[in-house]
This record gives sequence, structure tokens and C-alpha cells, in this order.
Amino acid sequence: AQKVTQAQTEISVVEKEDVTLDCVYETRDTTYYLFWYKQPPSGELVFLIRRNSFDEQNEISGRYSWNFQKSTSSFNFTITASQVVDSAVYFCALSEEKTSGSRLTFGEGTQLTVNP
Amino acid sequence: DAGVIQSPRHEVTEMGQEVTLRCKPISGHDYLFWYRQTMMRGLELLIYFNNNVPIDDSGMPEDRFSAKMPNASFSTLKIQPSEPRDSAVYFCASSLAGTAMSWSSGNTIYFGEGSWLTVV
Repeated sequence: AQKVTQAQTEISVVEKEDVTLDCVYETRDTTYYLFWYKQPPSGELVFLIRRNSFDEQNEISGRYSWNFQKSTSSFNFTITASQVVDSAVYFCALSEEKTSGSRLTFGEGTQLTVNP
Repeated sequence: DAGVIQSPRHEVTEMGQEVTLRCKPISGHDYLFWYRQTMMRGLELLIYFNNNVPIDDSGMPEDRFSAKMPNASFSTLKIQPSEPRDSAVYFCASSLAGTAMSWSSGNTIYFGEGSWLTVV
């Protein structure tokens, strides 16, 4: 069965600090996809990134970077020089190609608060 | 372009009442999903449609819940009768392709702003 664990329930940092959000996943499928979504206070879910299981290259997009490590089944998300606008709940999610198709399994979410 | 549109944004209703949540997917998207977010269970898929046909409703909690998609631009999620444990945020989402394999940064599953339901 697929499972996503975000052990950090809440993180609080001061503006300009770097912060890493952890995501550990479980799957039996060899082909799967990992996602990060942001849920700001307004409530909508905003897509940030998708990674497939065959691509372990780390990715950087502006202040955001993602570290995918199959050996530890982790897909961590780092925000560099955090800003107040980064305050949100961040969800990691998994989709297995064979067994879940369109179903996204979400982690519990990490509430990030960036204080000025 | 308009995103996924959900209504109502907030609803407070009394136990036993019927609740209808509405969703308008992004034009041209073939897949529509209903997710529920609660503190206890997090975000979970309730049901999804492909070309207006329900494909997987295994996440629908019980017979009190029903979902329909009468046409490509409209879907409803109905709870009858509602109970306090149904209090949650209900998200509608849509995508061009159904599987994560087809999703990329330019083509993925887009979520609406959610309908915040409180049953008292």
C-alpha cells in the first residue's frame, strides 16, 4: 500500500532562514510520481512540482529546491531565504502508476510559518 | 483562464439537512476529482470522473454521499442526510489527463479553492 509521511507537523522560522520540509514515502510500485502542493491561508491547493521515480535529479526553481533520494524513499523540499509569503501548509503526495492511476495519496501536511 | 470553480465556499448546515456542493472544472479537462480534507484523515480522494463517467468511487464514505457529472462543465457532490462528522473541506479538481504519468508542470491536476462545510 502506498503511504506518505510528513513527520513535521509545524515549522516556524524567521524570515530569510532556509527551511527543509521532509517527505518519506512507501510504495511497492517501481513507477511512481511524487508531488508537492502548497496550501496558502486562502485554502486552494497550488501545484509546485512533479517528479517521476526514474528521475533522481535534484531540481531548483528560484528559492525552491527538491531533493529526491530513492535509497531513503525521501523527497524533501527546501525553501531558501524564506519569506512571509511562504507561510502555508505544504503537502507531499504520491501516485503509483500501476495501482492508483489518478489517485493522489497525500501526506499529513506541514504547516510552515515564516515570521518577519 | 478561469480555474476550477467551486460553490459554495462556505456552508454551515444543521445535521440531517441535504448539502450540495458544486464544481465547474477547467474547460477542456476530461477528468474531474472530488477530494475531502479533514484533520483526522487528511486529504483523501472520494471519487473521480472521466468524460462525465464515474471511474472510481471507492473513496466515497457511505451511501449518504453521491456525486454526479451531468455534463463536461458541471459536477455535484451531495450529502443526504448530513452529519457533524461530514464537516470538512471538499476540493474539486480537474485535469486533462487522468494519470500522474501524463502530468507535468504544464499539465497537471488543478484544485479549486475548496468548499468549507460545517455540519452542526
